Amino acid sequence: DAGITQSPRYKITETGRQVTLMCHQTWSHSYMFWYRQDLGHGLRLIYYSAAADITDKGEVPDGYVVSRSKTENFPLTLESATRSQTSVYFCASSELAGGQETQYFGPGTRLLVL
Amino acid sequence: KQEVTQIPAALSVPEGENLVLNCSFTDSAIYNLQWFRQDPGKGLTSLLLIQSSQREQTSGRLNASLDKSSGRSTLYIAASQPGDSATYLCAAENLSGTYKYIFGTGTRLKVLA
Repeated sequence: DAGITQSPRYKITETGRQVTLMCHQTWSHSYMFWYRQDLGHGLRLIYYSAAADITDKGEVPDGYVVSRSKTENFPLTLESATRSQTSVYFCASSELAGGQETQYFGPGTRLLVL
Repeated sequence: KQEVTQIPAALSVPEGENLVLNCSFTDSAIYNLQWFRQDPGKGLTSLLLIQSSQREQTSGRLNASLDKSSGRSTLYIAASQPGDSATYLCAAENLSGTYKYIFGTGTRLKVLA
């Protein structure tokens, strides 16, 4: 199906474990983004990518790693999960940036770190 | 640093009422201002995008306005319906040289039948 998908949709892990959240889009959009959503903070940008092999930090990048070897995939890795990383994670994509096109969001991954 | 604020945090209205949701931002140097809808447990759906050179955008019963000089945007919903119940978020895309959206914390709307 066309669109943007995230996997897993739900994940429970333990402190210190490595976790990878997957994001896949079928539009060949250039830009991809990772956000986390927490009560009281709204959505905050973790990392974004303007194209394959080009990534940059957002507002809250610490503890996260991203890669973009293919245009359609943008995985987010928590290298050593902490309880403060319990959150809902959203992936998004857009063809253009700089005011010209909206972002399309995936359904989210709910992550609980025990 | 850009800050985006949405007031009120929650709003309940009877069906059929016209309503206005407010969004304010501190830095007027933006590419655009977007309004999104988020249903419980779901992702965000874009409703309207207003580019910095525009004053308003309309889609069906929705009208969004942008006043950069005052740092404000409003989302007007006409003849509200129970299906409009959701959280509405606004987001400003900054002119900072990197393409970063700053989101407000949202207004949770409940339209009562």
